[in-house]
Amino acid sequence: AQKITQTQPGMFVQEKEAVTLDCTYDTSDPSYGLFWYKQPSSGEMIFLIYQGSYDQQNATEGRYSLNFQKARKSANLVISASQLGDSAMYFCAMRERTGGSYIPTFGRGTSLIVHP
Amino acid sequence: DAGVIQSPRHEVTEMGQEVTLRCKPISGHDYLFWYRQTMMRGLELLIYFNNNVPIDDSGMPEDRFSAKMPNASFSTLKIQPSEPRDSAVYFCASSSKGASGDPDTQYFGPGTRLTVL
Repeated sequence: AQKITQTQPGMFVQEKEAVTLDCTYDTSDPSYGLFWYKQPSSGEMIFLIYQGSYDQQNATEGRYSLNFQKARKSANLVISASQLGDSAMYFCAMRERTGGSYIPTFGRGTSLIVHP
Repeated sequence: DAGVIQSPRHEVTEMGQEVTLRCKPISGHDYLFWYRQTMMRGLELLIYFNNNVPIDDSGMPEDRFSAKMPNASFSTLKIQPSEPRDSAVYFCASSSKGASGDPDTQYFGPGTRLTVL
């Protein structure tokens, strides 16, 4: 079974609007962490935001927020007031203690295009 | 502080040649990771080190791949001999140690785009 599922291969949004990128995960470990990374066309992987499974509040970092719904095992990324520079691939990742290593496993990504 | 540094940024080589990719982690980080990214397989962990010691190399595809970390500020990933199917973007990432001793958030280098003809 896939640990991380990103069902939207591509998303389009108008500049200045908000967009939600979906991520669902699969784990039986009570202690886990969720990450979002951005990969622009230049290729680098940029860390955006992190949510721990025991965190009470949804994580926020500037225009990025993580809509963490534990019971549904979803960790959607919300980008508010989209900008042209937000056009990129976005990867969700999860780390869990099951299996020993606490190293993130990455989803296949969602391509976001922001239209002017 | 400088981020993770990788060199070269682009490498084009012919099948059968040896390829060496280099990485300088963020100063003070305890963990170093090598990933490979392809369209077919996405982002795959190849190997990671803790305090210069290889911890898990189960992601290394075959014996043609080897990685070393001779000191805290330098690591190499070597492919010998290279094959066309090794063409991919290779990322190095580093992280500090979290409160539990596990790796904290990973910070990635810019990647090396390898093309094997």
